[in-house]
Amino acid sequence: EAGVAQSPRYKIIEKRQSVAFWCNPISGHATLYWYQQILGQGPKLLIQFQNNGVVDDSQLPKDRFSAERLKGVDSTLKIQPAKLEDSAVYLCASSLGRGTSGFGVQYFGPGTRLTVT
Amino acid sequence: AQKVTQAQTEISVVEKEDVTLDCVYETRDTTYYLFWYKQPPSGELVFLIRRNSFDEQNEISGRYSWNFQKSTSSFNFTITASQVVDSAVYFCALVDTNTGNQFYFGTGTSLTVIP
Repeated sequence: EAGVAQSPRYKIIEKRQSVAFWCNPISGHATLYWYQQILGQGPKLLIQFQNNGVVDDSQLPKDRFSAERLKGVDSTLKIQPAKLEDSAVYLCASSLGRGTSGFGVQYFGPGTRLTVT
Repeated sequence: AQKVTQAQTEISVVEKEDVTLDCVYETRDTTYYLFWYKQPPSGELVFLIRRNSFDEQNEISGRYSWNFQKSTSSFNFTITASQVVDSAVYFCALVDTNTGNQFYFGTGTSLTVIP
């Protein structure tokens, strides 16, 4: 079974530029998450999708970050404009929904390491 | 509010030693899940174990074992006879089933196993 795919793996941009990340979850996983992981810290949830609807985006800086989940499968996360403090690894994860034996278990992609200069 | 505390930021052990990683959690909910994830240098978080709040039995999987104690709100992880490949950052996490599937991660413990 294929895991969670993310691209690109690395990105370097200048502040005030825009950047987009792509995620393809595990087939059949209804729930998709985007996390931000700053060096030396645990992942912080940015947004959670259930199919193509947003479940939780309370920690998403909506003035510069946006995300969408196309047809309930792939997802993109965009930052516009980027700031220096956005330098981090952006992780995508997916999971089965409630009522399944796998409830709560999230499977993570390899992440995108963003450096803003 | 939910919170996960991993007080040990860095641990170094010599190969073949046993090591225990501590995890203390806070939640007001009676139904929740606890997890351990491993993050090797490659960066990908790898699922190790899930335990629900109603199951306090300890679990052993090879060299790994977990001790869940609701009385002290702890979910500690022990690696027996550590190996160099165990070197990674280990995260403990809590998910509250009442508010959806949101994970609350600890800050992680960086384990270095010295050959």
